[in-house]
Amino acid sequence: DAGITQSPRHKVTETGTPVTLRCHQTENHRYMYWYRQDPGHGLRLIHYSYGVKDTDKGEVSDGYSVSRSKTEDFLLTLESATSSQTSVYFCAISEGQYYEQYFGPGTRLTVT
Amino acid sequence: AQSVAQPEDQVNVAEGNPLTVKCTYSVSGNPYLFWYVQYPNRGLQFLLKYITGDNLVKGSYGFEAEFNKSQTSFHLKKPSALVSDSALYFCAVRARSGYSTLTFGKGTMLLVSP
Repeated sequence: DAGITQSPRHKVTETGTPVTLRCHQTENHRYMYWYRQDPGHGLRLIHYSYGVKDTDKGEVSDGYSVSRSKTEDFLLTLESATSSQTSVYFCAISEGQYYEQYFGPGTRLTVT
Repeated sequence: AQSVAQPEDQVNVAEGNPLTVKCTYSVSGNPYLFWYVQYPNRGLQFLLKYITGDNLVKGSYGFEAEFNKSQTSFHLKKPSALVSDSALYFCAVRARSGYSTLTFGKGTMLLVSP
């Protein structure tokens, strides 16, 4: 987990409220990713970024948006949280698209 | 579409015995293949990768994996299991060229008994 932090680490929120998760890296890697991990599904890509202000959708992007205004920070926003978004969210970074990814410690989000 | 299959939800092995965690993949063209490990309440940790060259790849903590193109497999192996190897293991694949992101398998829980 060195060089990657996620905040908050745990959050409980109510259905319909907006939520923002933050990923911060100190490695100066170009690529950053948001995944969600759910039992029976492994990890699924939500969004990723290949540079400042450059982002693209992943496999499960509906209901999520992202922003990257600085190299070191990648924000994931749930505009209006739903119970189906209860999950563990992981941020990852990599030097390039063909390189291995390194993961943060995760954020456990519960939507009630 | 690319995909990864990890056919076993759980693998049980006794300490000191060899272990194998299976992975098969489907991708257009040649693959990049990865193995990651996840300990409880932690993020994933990179173990090893296959990019090109030697089909036997050595990684962290004594793990290795063998790329078999004809069988589209990338099984993870270790000659002698440790109790501390007990964790959740993920295989992942991406295409070597073109637009592609990393696709993960659903994971295999490895339990090593003393």
